Amino acid sequence: GQQLNQSPQSMFIQEGEDVSMNCTSSSIFNTWLWYKQDPGEGPVLLIALYKAGELTSNGRLTAQFGITRKDSFLNISASIPSDVGIYFCAGQGNRNTGKLIFGQGTTLQVKP
Amino acid sequence: ETGVTQTPRHLVMGMTNKKSLKCEQHLGHNAMYWYKQSAKKPLELMFVYSLEERVENNSVPSRFSPECPNSSHLFLHLHTLQPEDSALYLCASSQRQGAGYEQYFGPGTRLTVT
Repeated sequence: GQQLNQSPQSMFIQEGEDVSMNCTSSSIFNTWLWYKQDPGEGPVLLIALYKAGELTSNGRLTAQFGITRKDSFLNISASIPSDVGIYFCAGQGNRNTGKLIFGQGTTLQVKP
Repeated sequence: ETGVTQTPRHLVMGMTNKKSLKCEQHLGHNAMYWYKQSAKKPLELMFVYSLEERVENNSVPSRFSPECPNSSHLFLHLHTLQPEDSALYLCASSQRQGAGYEQYFGPGTRLTVT
């Protein structure tokens, strides 16, 4: 079945630093979504990408849909303490069901 | 008003109990989903409903029984669960079923099976 490799698994950075994480797949996806999950809560959608090569920003967050359609990355610029959480990538490969395949998550900790 | 709500937020049940999880979406969406999130594992899709019709059952054991009475409500009925079923159960909805439609999640129900 389809699998996603998300890296890094965890990051511990200083406030103000930039962050980069990525996901790679063994197969093609039609849509890439990036979510953030806080403890005890459900994932919150950050950015959605629909076309290969697409680059989309949401405030300090920027994400790109890889040209090969098998990868995506998320950058966070000038990190702040409230960026702490788990970030998930998710790909949609099945056009019919919309089934999301999730990465394992990147845990981000920010030191003030 | 939050888009997707789930109740209860926490549930502890014995292996012989029967309980139900409830999800309600206020976004006017037509598709709803159940996901399971276990520690150290990626989120796993369990069920997909589109216009109240089940369109995917992702090899989920029969002790989990979904119900979608209308496009705004989704239930997950639980009976004779096992301790390994302890997890965070997340409900999501999207405008339509299919790739390209963003899924919005509820806060989840933390289930503990004793």
